[in-house]
Amino acid sequence: AQKVTQAQTEISVVEKEDVTLDCVYETRDTTYYLFWYKQPPSGELVFLIRRNSFDEQNEISGRYSWNFQKSTSSFNFTITASQVVDSAVYFCALSEESKAAGNKLTFGGGTRVLVKP
Amino acid sequence: NAGVTQTPKFRILKIGQSMTLQCTQDMNHNYMYWYRQDPGMGLKLIYYSVGAGITDKGEVPNGYNVSRSTTEDFPLRLELAAPSQTSVYFCASSYGGGVDTQYFGPGTRLTVL
Repeated sequence: AQKVTQAQTEISVVEKEDVTLDCVYETRDTTYYLFWYKQPPSGELVFLIRRNSFDEQNEISGRYSWNFQKSTSSFNFTITASQVVDSAVYFCALSEESKAAGNKLTFGGGTRVLVKP
Repeated sequence: NAGVTQTPKFRILKIGQSMTLQCTQDMNHNYMYWYRQDPGMGLKLIYYSVGAGITDKGEVPNGYNVSRSTTEDFPLRLELAAPSQTSVYFCASSYGGGVDTQYFGPGTRLTVL
């Protein structure tokens, strides 16, 4: 069964600090996809990144970066030089390719990030 | 493109009432999904559809029904509302299956009293 764990429930930082969000996943499939979504206080879910299990290259997009390590089943997310607008709940999610997975996107419990000015 | 739209944004129901949450997407996506998000939790899949006329259960389907008569629309029906159905409901769509990126609507906040 697929499972996603985000052990950090809440992180508070001061603006311009870096913050790293941990995501650990469990899956039996060899082909799977990992996602990060942002949920700002307004409540909508904003897609940030999608990564497949065969691509372990780290990715950087502006102040955001992702570190995928298959050996530790982790897909961590770092916000560099945080800003107040980064305050949100961030969700890590997993989807397996096998039909038995039923097209399900399994979410972690989320990490609330509070960036103080 | 409006993306995924949901109505209503908020709703309060009394126990035992019924209602339909509307979801429409204009991206010509084949797959559509309904999730619920309980306070402080991640999202859980209620139902999904792989195309018009085809639906299937997710993790938490009890108390809900869906239909998909067109590519664009995927309404979620709550029969006999219960306090346990108090939640935020999100509709999502994707071009391919679950491994494709899912794009979410703004959500419907439902309270059952």
